[in-house]
Amino acid sequence: AQTVTQSQPEMSVQEAETVTLSCTYDTSENNYYLFWYKQPPSRQMILVIRQEAYKQQNATENRFSVNFQKAAKSFSLKISDSQLGDTAMYFCAFMKINTGTASKLTFGTGTRLQVTL
Amino acid sequence: DAGVIQSPRHEVTEMGQEVTLRCKPISGHNSLFWYRQTMMRGLELLIYFNNNVPIDDSGMPEDRFSAKMPNASFSTLKIQPSEPRDSAVYFCASSWDTSIQYFGPGTRLLVL
Repeated sequence: AQTVTQSQPEMSVQEAETVTLSCTYDTSENNYYLFWYKQPPSRQMILVIRQEAYKQQNATENRFSVNFQKAAKSFSLKISDSQLGDTAMYFCAFMKINTGTASKLTFGTGTRLQVTL
Repeated sequence: DAGVIQSPRHEVTEMGQEVTLRCKPISGHNSLFWYRQTMMRGLELLIYFNNNVPIDDSGMPEDRFSAKMPNASFSTLKIQPSEPRDSAVYFCASSWDTSIQYFGPGTRLLVL
């Protein structure tokens, strides 16, 4: 079974600054995806970024980037130039790759990020 | 394009009543997932379907919970009888390939 650990329950960052959210995971699988999802107060789950485990290059989406360390089973999210709209709960998630079929997401407990003026 | 649609958005019911949550996945998606979010247990998978067939229902708490997917565009999650500990936000998600899951807005259920 896979486990995902987010050790920072809450974080705060000032607007325009950079913040890094941590995530570690445990698995015996070799092929998998890792995700960061954002959940603002509206409760909507929004995909922020995805990383394929077989890719060494770290994924980037505009102000969001990851630091993927496969050997260390670490997957941190960096948010640059933080904006008030980034205030949300952030979930790290793991998904095993099944050939031809979907697979479930295993989530961490989340990090609540507050962006302040 | 419409995203995943869930109804109702909010449901308040009394213990012992039957509750039915509904989900319409994104058109063309062939996998559908039901997740539950609580303060105590976080986000956890209840059940998922691939091509309308249940693949993994190991997360369904007990026999009071049942889920169906009669066709590619509709799924239900039923709780009968409901209990206060079932109070949670229930999310439906759908996907086409084996990767990105798109979530609906969730149904907030309160069982009194």
